[in-house]
Amino acid sequence: SYELTQPSSVSVSPGQTARITCSGDVLAKKYSRWFQQKPGQAPVLLIYKDNERPSGIPERFSGSSSGTTVTLTITGAQVEDEADYYCYSASDTDRRMFGAGTKLTVL
Amino acid sequence: EVQLVQSGAEVKKPGATVKISCKASGYTFTDYYSHWVRQAPGKGLEWMGLVDPEDGKAIYAERFRGRVTITADTSTDTAYMELSSLRSEDTATYYCTTNYTAWGQGTLVTVSP
Repeated sequence: SYELTQPSSVSVSPGQTARITCSGDVLAKKYSRWFQQKPGQAPVLLIYKDNERPSGIPERFSGSSSGTTVTLTITGAQVEDEADYYCYSASDTDRRMFGAGTKLTVL
Repeated sequence: EVQLVQSGAEVKKPGATVKISCKASGYTFTDYYSHWVRQAPGKGLEWMGLVDPEDGKAIYAERFRGRVTITADTSTDTAYMELSSLRSEDTATYYCTTNYTAWGQGTLVTVSP
């Protein structure tokens, strides 16, 4: 099925590691991306091709993939990382889709 | 610097059609797809479709097929998204993006009687 499933929320304390998962059958065959979105702002691309980081994205953001699950890891989460996070991928017919989003709380 | 500048906010009545523009600059327009993504108030991101400016071929999300038309004008480096038969649930901020590294500022479309 072409769906991407994420937890609705994740909470960590500052300095801890946050992990946000995204699962879906297509992830076994297609690359994923991760986006961060803060209130009132456009999304920001954090990760592409499962684990590549665009220039300017802090090293504490990393991505990994295993089978039908991809994971965004924030090592040493900071208060400023509090945001909504979305995974994204494509179907066999080249249609794209976002996961429903995960609200990360850092406190 | 890559820039995407979208047209301004729109207020439409149910059943009407809206057309939003996205003017690109700072890169070769035909090198990347132009995608459209929307976000209803308090909701998540929703991919609507894309156009390949090189050949004008578009791909649409299934739930918008028949209502959305995405086009690209290479003479002005501008992408367009037209959504018809508007209903209240289409009230959202609409974004264009190229390669997901550059985003437009968003266009708020309000559908209200």
